[in-house]
Amino acid sequence: AQKITQTQPGMFVQEKEAVTLDCTYDTSDQSYGLFWYKQPSSGEMIFLIYQGSYDEQNATEGRYSLNFQKARKSANLVISASQLGDSAMYFCAMRGLGLISNFGNEKLTFGTGTRLTIIP
Amino acid sequence: GAGVSQTPSNKVTEKGKYVELRCDPISGHTALYWYRQSLGQGPEFLIYFQGTGAADDSGLPNDRFFAVRPEGSVSTLKIQRTERGDSAVYLCASSSVTSGGLYNEQFFGPGTRLTVL
Repeated sequence: AQKITQTQPGMFVQEKEAVTLDCTYDTSDQSYGLFWYKQPSSGEMIFLIYQGSYDEQNATEGRYSLNFQKARKSANLVISASQLGDSAMYFCAMRGLGLISNFGNEKLTFGTGTRLTIIP
Repeated sequence: GAGVSQTPSNKVTEKGKYVELRCDPISGHTALYWYRQSLGQGPEFLIYFQGTGAADDSGLPNDRFFAVRPEGSVSTLKIQRTERGDSAVYLCASSSVTSGGLYNEQFFGPGTRLTVL
């Protein structure tokens, strides 16, 4: 079983500041992938960044970076130089593989999300 | 190119009625997923198709829920005898990665908001 915990229901950040959104996870899978999605008010889920459990370096994608601490089972999202358009819900998710990869492990398990509001 | 599309965008029905929700995945994507997102929650997995077959339907809450993908492209989620607790946004996603590797970017549609009165 997999579980994602996001403990920050809401955050307010001043424009141009950096923000860290917390995510901790729990899994018994041998290897796994961690994802962050953004969901604006329009409702569509937008993929932001991916981190594999065996990746040695933290993932980065433009203004997004993932602070991956495997021993602590955390995968926090860092957004640098926040913009007004960053206001949205943010979801951490994971997908795992057991000892034998199979199609049955394709699903994503999501956390409850963090609502980020950027203040002008 | 075109993304994942879902119809209708909104559906209002009465308790006990039957509804069908449609998903058109990105062309060429063999994997298709249905998720349900209740208010204030993250999406919850319902079912996953690989081609025409349901590879994992462990998330379907009960036998009132059924999904098909007869030609390996469009999928329909069917809900019988709807209940007020079925009210949620139903999200569809598709991906081109079929197995191996953990990286599997799922492209989501805009969702169908179902309201059961």
